[in-house]
Parts: sequence; structure tokens; C-alpha cells
Amino acid sequence: EVQLVESGGVVVQPGGSLRLSCAASGFTFDDYAMHWVRQAPGKGLEWVSLISWDGGSTYYADSVKGRFTISRDNSKNSLYLQMNSLRAEDTALYYCAKVSGIAVADPFDYWGQGTLVTVSS
Amino acid sequence: DIQMTQSPSTLSASVGDRVTITCRASQSISSWLAWYQQKPGKAPKLLIYKASSLESGVPSRFSGSGSGTEFTLTISSLQPDDFATYYCQQYNSYSPLTFGPGTKVDIK
Repeated sequence: EVQLVESGGVVVQPGGSLRLSCAASGFTFDDYAMHWVRQAPGKGLEWVSLISWDGGSTYYADSVKGRFTISRDNSKNSLYLQMNSLRAEDTALYYCAKVSGIAVADPFDYWGQGTLVTVSS
Repeated sequence: DIQMTQSPSTLSASVGDRVTITCRASQSISSWLAWYQQKPGKAPKLLIYKASSLESGVPSRFSGSGSGTEFTLTISSLQPDDFATYYCQQYNSYSPLTFGPGTKVDIK
């Protein structure tokens, strides 16, 4: 059974930093690109970042470019999101998501339950 | 960036109704469109990919159509489990990937 379990979400002050983790199981992790998608409270879905199967390619939404860094450790079946210079508008539930096929941007067939990041003083 | 719009934003319907949601892209995305269903407090669930392909395990009352810039999601006979918010997502361009704003289907 595929499982994605996010962790690391907390309340953090504006300007602060945080690292989110996503532990994957039930599939061959290093066969698939992985993504982070976020959802602000009561709002829609916003794509944040993607990383290729080997970590060699990464892409970011303009809203987080230069502040967030996506990475993965295939030996640990884990995905990460380092978040720096956090702003109030980064407050959201952050999901990790697995692509369904071999392309880096294939649709997401599995999602975690999300981890809540709140940026507030 | 490719902008996605959806209509309507909210749809009130009854069990058994045929429901259609429209998604439009700001430029052609061929058939690189997915539909997701999200229930309150839950992660999104993939329903349709490549505009019209049904994800494994998804009931056949869900169908998708369209190509280019205009797409539809149809629920042929709305069931109680289908009251949720539906999002389209383009994956023609992954810098950035973009979602529609969502369509909430609620009980009339």
C-alpha cells in the first residue's frame, strides 16, 4: 500500500525557517518524481515545487522561488522542503504528492494527509 | 503561465442529477488535463487524467472530455458520496503546474 506521511509543520514567526519531510513507502521511491502542493485555509490548491526521480531537476512556483528548496534522499525514501524567509502568505496545509507515471509532471495518484504550516507572530 | 478557470464556482444539485463542470485553459494544453475530487479534511483524489481517461477504481459515472482549451467533467448520476470540491489541473507545462480555482458541488 502506498503511503506518504508528511511531518514538520508548526507555528513559525515571519522570517523564520522550517523543514518539512515526507516519508514514502509502498512503492519504488526512486522511480518517481515527487511534488509539494499547498492549500491555504479555505482556499484552493497551489503547486509549490517538483523534483525529478534522481534529484537532478527541480522546479518552483514563482511565489516560493529563492526561498524554498526541495530535495530528496532516495536511500531513506524521503522528500523534503526547506522553507526560509517565511511569510504570512505561506500559511497552508502542505501535501507531498507522487506522480502517476514516468514524466515529472504526470498527475498525482497519491497524496499525503498534509502538514500544517502557520506563519504568525 | 497557463491560467485555469472553472465554472461554476458552486453548483447545487440533487442525488441523481447529471452534473457538468467546465474548465478552461488560457492556452492550448492538448489533452494534458487532470480532474481531482477533494472532500473536507481530506487530500485530493485523482479522478481523470489525460482529459478523458478514468483513473483505476473511479466509478464510471465520472467522465471527462475536451482538448485544447476547453474541458468538462461530467457526473452522470450524482451520488451522496460525490458532494465535494472538484479541481482541474493542467500538466502541459510544469513551470508552473496550475490548478483551477475549484467547483464546490453541494446539496440542493
